[in-house]
Amino acid sequence: DIQMTQSPSTVSASVGDRVTITCWASQSVNTWLAWHQQKPGKAPKLLIYKASNLENGVPSRFSGSGSGTEFTLTISSLQPDDFATYYCQHYTNYPITFGQGTRLEIK
Amino acid sequence: EVQLVESGGGLVQPGGSLRLSCAVSGFTFSDHYMDWVRQAPGTGLEWVGRSRNKANGFSTEYAASVKGRFTISRDDSKNSLYLQMNSLKSEDTAVYYCARADNSGYSEYWGQGTLVTVSS
Repeated sequence: DIQMTQSPSTVSASVGDRVTITCWASQSVNTWLAWHQQKPGKAPKLLIYKASNLENGVPSRFSGSGSGTEFTLTISSLQPDDFATYYCQHYTNYPITFGQGTRLEIK
Repeated sequence: EVQLVESGGGLVQPGGSLRLSCAVSGFTFSDHYMDWVRQAPGTGLEWVGRSRNKANGFSTEYAASVKGRFTISRDDSKNSLYLQMNSLKSEDTAVYYCARADNSGYSEYWGQGTLVTVSS
């Protein structure tokens, strides 16, 4: 199974900050990598697919990059609505696995 | 508008069974892969399994943690996805989400989830 590891587990930031979350895969997933946002008590929401493709309707302040085993999700200028938990997901083979999540907190 | 609505969650004793349903609308159900993903209280997301689309024979894949105990099925006439859960364990306690998957593999749209609690 491919293990997905995110860093950091928690990040504290302020509105307007630039934030980067990193996701590592235990073996290459090419660019078969998605990012999801989840708010407390709510379902996850797709942000990015195929490592760098922005889902329709997702603000352009979100961006993704990477290939192989290292990926990043960047929020260019944090907005109040962005404080949530973020998960990476590989889908290169089965079983599909998620990272453990990165909680983005208000500083 | 794509909509997925799960139902069927509840309290069940260890060793018991439960069937979850996911009613979908807003898209051609048979064209799409469908997933079940769960989230134990206070933890992250765990992929449970997948039903491929009609073109791929509705074949299924499962996580090792549920293989042999859980079965995914679908009824296209009812636009519904199911998760039959048998031999339930306390560690199966979670919110269960159904999700439409893009045919390349990522989870694309999510339902609101249904809570399953396995406890005596």
